Amino acid sequence: DIVMTQSPDSLAVSLGERATINCKSSQSVLDSSNKKNYLAWYQQKPGQPPNPLIYWASTRDSGVPDRFSGSGSGTDFTLTISSLQAEDVAVYYCQQYYSTPITFGQGTRLEIK
Amino acid sequence: QVQLVQSGAEVKKPGASVKVSCKASGYTFTSHGISWVRQAPGQGLEWMGWISTYSGDTNYAQKLQGRVTMTTDTSTSTAYMALRSLRSDDTAVYYCAREHIAGAKLPGTYDYWGQGTLVTVSS
Repeated sequence: DIVMTQSPDSLAVSLGERATINCKSSQSVLDSSNKKNYLAWYQQKPGQPPNPLIYWASTRDSGVPDRFSGSGSGTDFTLTISSLQAEDVAVYYCQQYYSTPITFGQGTRLEIK
Repeated sequence: QVQLVQSGAEVKKPGASVKVSCKASGYTFTSHGISWVRQAPGQGLEWMGWISTYSGDTNYAQKLQGRVTMTTDTSTSTAYMALRSLRSDDTAVYYCAREHIAGAKLPGTYDYWGQGTLVTVSS
């Protein structure tokens, strides 16, 4: 199984500042045949299902604000929120879909400082 | 608009079985696979398995093999997840999620999620 490890476990950022969440996979999730990284990011608020943010490591889902961006390749990935808004308080998860079983990171809790 | 509406909360005793439904609307049901993901209280997300709504092919998490069965009823655009021999550590919110990519032959990433179904296993 591919193990996904996020850092940090929790993060407090001031409104308007940048938030950065890291995700590392235990093996590469890059398919060299199509040059795609099989990595997604989700946001989850209390009592709600996960909300998709990013797929193919850097493609924003429909309707996702452009302050959210994804980067990285191979085994190291980053989710960046360029200017934190109050509504971004949530837990964020990375997910690999390179191979089954699909696996998620443990989550990063993002709060306002 | 795309919607996945799940059945209501369940309370079961250890050793019993549960079957959760996920009714899809707003798109062609057989064009996108469905995965099931669960979340124990205060914990992270755990993938349980996937079903192709087109072919009925399934791919289950190894740890649940033999206890989980995923099926679909294309006449009602509904997916089902049945879990048997329930234990206390099966207590969780169970989500169905639609595969992002139409026609995918393997599980991938998800663009729509059901609202979740709380299954509580307690004696």
